[in-house]
Amino acid sequence: AQSVTQPDIHITVSEGASLELRCNYSYGATPYLFWYVQSPGQGLQLLLKYFSGDTLVQGIKGFEAEFKRSQSSFNLRKPSVHWSDAAEYFCAVGEGDDKIIFGKGTRLHILP
Amino acid sequence: DAGITQSPRHKVTETGTPVTLRCHQTENHRYMYWYRQDPGHGLRLIHYSYGVKDTDKGEVSDGYSVSRSKTEDFLLTLESATSSQTSVYFCAISESGHHETQYFGPGTRLLVL
Repeated sequence: AQSVTQPDIHITVSEGASLELRCNYSYGATPYLFWYVQSPGQGLQLLLKYFSGDTLVQGIKGFEAEFKRSQSSFNLRKPSVHWSDAAEYFCAVGEGDDKIIFGKGTRLHILP
Repeated sequence: DAGITQSPRHKVTETGTPVTLRCHQTENHRYMYWYRQDPGHGLRLIHYSYGVKDTDKGEVSDGYSVSRSKTEDFLLTLESATSSQTSVYFCAISESGHHETQYFGPGTRLLVL
């Protein structure tokens, strides 16, 4: 069965520092991969997605993610975080017509 | 922003009472989903619909039923609410399937006493 793991429950970075959020998945073939962000009290919003092609994907708000098949990873990065990036981030994986499975989330805290 | 509304936004109810949550969309998307979000569990799929009167179970469907009589509305019913169903419920829509972008509603916070 497919699964997705976000190893870090909480991450704290200083404003202006770089960010990497980890996501590992378990699936047989090439999966569909997503990163969503949830601000406090809000629903989820798509940051970026990967289906095929270039393994480095650009998203909204200056985020990018890289698909690494050999490591079964789809880590999210941002070169310089802003206080407004404080939120919870969810990685999700799916394949074909199967359902999308969400990770348990990583909560990002920003130090001023 | 995708036109998705959920009602009610907050509800407090007692154990054993029936509860219905409504999701309404104005995007004419084929797929609609109900998720629950709990600390330490992320989002878990309850039920989804792939068309009018076409629904299927997700990973945590026990104790929940759904109905979709119109493209724009997807109802989630807790037949007899239990305290374990205290959660935040999110509706989502997608245009043509699970691999497409899902657009989420604002959520319904349900407390079962």
